[in-house]
Amino acid sequence: AQSVTQLDSQVPVFEEAPVELRCNYSSSVSVYLFWYVQYPNQGLQLLLKYLSGSTLVESINGFEAEFNKSQTSFHLRKPSVHISDTAEYFCAVILSGAGSYQLTFGKGTKLSVIP
Amino acid sequence: DTGVSQNPRHKITKRGQNVTFRCDPISEHNRLYWYRQTLGQGPEFLTYFQNEAQLEKSRLLSDRFSAERPKGSFSTLEIQRTEQGDSAMYLCASSSLMDTQYFGPGTRLTVL
Repeated sequence: AQSVTQLDSQVPVFEEAPVELRCNYSSSVSVYLFWYVQYPNQGLQLLLKYLSGSTLVESINGFEAEFNKSQTSFHLRKPSVHISDTAEYFCAVILSGAGSYQLTFGKGTKLSVIP
Repeated sequence: DTGVSQNPRHKITKRGQNVTFRCDPISEHNRLYWYRQTLGQGPEFLTYFQNEAQLEKSRLLSDRFSAERPKGSFSTLEIQRTEQGDSAMYLCASSSLMDTQYFGPGTRLTVL
């Protein structure tokens, strides 16, 4: 069975500083990878996804993530964070080609941006 | 595109009571999913429908839980004889074939 590990439960960072949120997965087959964001008192929103092709994917608000198959990682990065990025971020996987469409999530990383 | 909606947003009930939640997916999406999220954890998969057929169920979905999607549109999740351990946020998501799952705002259940 697949699993997702988000090593950091909380990440405080100063405004305009860079940030990396780590995600590692465990799976014996190929996966699709996702980052979802949950702002306070709101539902989960898709931030970015990797299905195939270029291993570097970007979101519209400046986040990027790189799929590293050898490291089984999909870390999320942003070069300069804003106060509005304060939220909880969830990494998730789906097994590709397995006929199952359930997302397996990590436990989440709470990003706190300090002014 | 009005997004996925869920009702009610909050439900407080006494242990032993039955509760039912409703999810209205994005209109053209034929796949619908239920997840449960407890404090400090990521969402956990419960079950999934393609149109009206329930195709996958998690071991988390005990006999007290039942989900339906009678006409392939909205879905209901019923919990019978609620227990305190059922307290959680219940999330619904929908997708079209081979596409991203879009989540609703969730229903927060508190069992007293």
